[in-house]
Amino acid sequence: QQQVKQSPQSLIVQKGGISIINCAYENTAFDYFPWYQQFPGKGPALLIAIRPDVSEKKEGRFTISFNKSAKQFSLHIMDSQPGDSATYFCAASFSQGGSEKLVFGKGTKLTVNP
Amino acid sequence: DAGITQSPRHKVTETGTPVTLRCHQTENHRYMYWYRQDPGHGLRLIHYSYGVKDTDKGEVSDGYSVSRSKTEDFLLTLESATSSQTSVYFCAIRQGIGQPQHFGDGTRLSIL
Repeated sequence: QQQVKQSPQSLIVQKGGISIINCAYENTAFDYFPWYQQFPGKGPALLIAIRPDVSEKKEGRFTISFNKSAKQFSLHIMDSQPGDSATYFCAASFSQGGSEKLVFGKGTKLTVNP
Repeated sequence: DAGITQSPRHKVTETGTPVTLRCHQTENHRYMYWYRQDPGHGLRLIHYSYGVKDTDKGEVSDGYSVSRSKTEDFLLTLESATSSQTSVYFCAIRQGIGQPQHFGDGTRLSIL
């Protein structure tokens, strides 16, 4: 129940295309859904996040779509660029014992070809 | 950068030896976390701290211990390293409830 399932494992997109990464969860106690971007040799960096009272959040070329009833959320990268090539992780947060914990998906390696 | 320094950045050691990894923050954040990252597994929580001397176990805590004697430092110890603990270890910090976690750049640990 604490799992977050992420797909696809890898994704190849042409420059200018749309990249879409999907995540699904079971635990309805999750109340915060961040996406992280990770480049080789670096730590994950927060990209964008959403709470379940909102169905969509957009920041520049990055959009999170959230479907509470389906327990699914997705990241859309519009006009994908070679510099977007990285590994992307979705995550979900829940509170336990006075502290919040993040549960991560297994990651999607995105390659944007020039 | 989120003001997080992990040390060492790389370490190679032998099975059975003790290993301590350090996470140092300059943000004065209350919450600190240790994760390991392995191919096909994403990031998994090892231990976390919600204050000085207040720690708790995460998903994959067996074989690991932690200590936090002051706000800025969170230590992860492998008492007797095993090859299955070869991984990249990330520290994260969080200011408070509802705030995002910010990660350091990791320690690559190889146990031969």
